[in-house]
Amino acid sequence: KQEVTQIPAALSVPEGENLVLNCSFTDSAIYNLQWFRQDPGKGLTSLLLIQSSQREQTSGRLNASLDKSSGRSTLYIAASQPGDSATYLCAVGRSNYQLIWGAGTKLIIKP
Amino acid sequence: DAGVTQSPTHLIKTRGQQVTLRCSPKSGHDTVSWYQQALGQGPQFIFQYYEEEERQRGNFPDRFSGHQFPNYSSELNVNALLLGDSALYLCASESRAGELFFGEGSRLTVL
Repeated sequence: KQEVTQIPAALSVPEGENLVLNCSFTDSAIYNLQWFRQDPGKGLTSLLLIQSSQREQTSGRLNASLDKSSGRSTLYIAASQPGDSATYLCAVGRSNYQLIWGAGTKLIIKP
Repeated sequence: DAGVTQSPTHLIKTRGQQVTLRCSPKSGHDTVSWYQQALGQGPQFIFQYYEEEERQRGNFPDRFSGHQFPNYSSELNVNALLLGDSALYLCASESRAGELFFGEGSRLTVL
């Protein structure tokens, strides 16, 4: 059974710092992995999608990596800004069309 | 280009009642998935619709049912509401690359 874990559950850093969010999964037979951002009480915004054949994806200040053999993905945020404050969730895609989700990391960027 | 739209945004029901939530996918997307997200947790997959058929279902009771229309819009119906059904219900449409795009959600409160 695929399980997805995100550690830490919450993180607070000063503005301007580079930071890494972690996502681990137990079954390496994945279809893809996505990182999402969720603001309080809102829906989810897709940040990056990594297909199982890829090692990383980049979008602006965000970089996501995927290591299937170790069951890990990281989301790197460069030069953090207060507007980056949100909950970040990773979701692992399986061949049966389902996504298995982590519980998220709540990120607070202090001005 | 309108993204995924959901209605209503908020609603309050009492135990035993029935509710219908609606979703219009992003233009060009023919696959719609529904998720339930309890406070502080990651989304849980309810089911996915493709070509007006339920293609995959998560671990939810038969009280949860859905429908997809020829224009790809979708409805989620929940019968015999329980207090535990209170949650944010998210609809997502999927691109051909497998990337999910979410609506803002429907916040259901069951009293």
